[in-house]
Amino acid sequence: DARVTQTPRHKVTEMGQEVTMRCQPILGHNTVFWYRQTMMQGLELLAYFRNRAPLDDSGMPKDRFSAEMPDATLATLKIQPSEPRDSAVYFCASGLDRTGYTFGSGTRLTVV
Amino acid sequence: KQEVTQIPAALSVPEGENLVLNCSFTDSAIYNLQWFRQDPGKGLTSLLLIQSSQREQTSGRLNASLDKSSGRSTLYIAASQPGDSATYLCAVRPATTDSWGKLQFGAGTQVVVTP
Repeated sequence: DARVTQTPRHKVTEMGQEVTMRCQPILGHNTVFWYRQTMMQGLELLAYFRNRAPLDDSGMPKDRFSAEMPDATLATLKIQPSEPRDSAVYFCASGLDRTGYTFGSGTRLTVV
Repeated sequence: KQEVTQIPAALSVPEGENLVLNCSFTDSAIYNLQWFRQDPGKGLTSLLLIQSSQREQTSGRLNASLDKSSGRSTLYIAASQPGDSATYLCAVRPATTDSWGKLQFGAGTQVVVTP
């Protein structure tokens, strides 16, 4: 089965450090999402891309978060500087209009 | 703004009993609805996808119905097993232009099936 691959699976970093999370969407999928999941807020949409173009990043704290899709096989989410409140699981998902979306296994981020 | 609600938040049933999970949404202008399963510490696994023109979808012991006009979807799991214990989330994809492609998630129903 085709998979969405996320790296790293776990990341522990100190406050103030830069964090980069990577996602390899399923080949041929034209829509890519970044979600964040916490116990308090549930799943929150951070950003999404369609045909590599950013469509909406209104869910992201713009001063510290950035999302890019340099090519069709790679999406990145960066946090600089990281803060303890950024601790969460970050999911990438990809899909096509009529096939629904497939989620990656997530990156569990802990900022100490 | 589309809001998605799942009730109950938690459910515990004995093995063998049928599970009924509810999902309601406030705006009937949807493109499709997707049910996911999430095991503790894991990602989301897609279970069923229902297009807006469909009334139900089935896969094995799972059946999901969709009533767009009333803003409801129900996931039925027949003859539950302990391995069905997980959190089940429904996600609605709005059909409105400004929300195109986005998924709006419910908070999930945590299911425990006891042996």
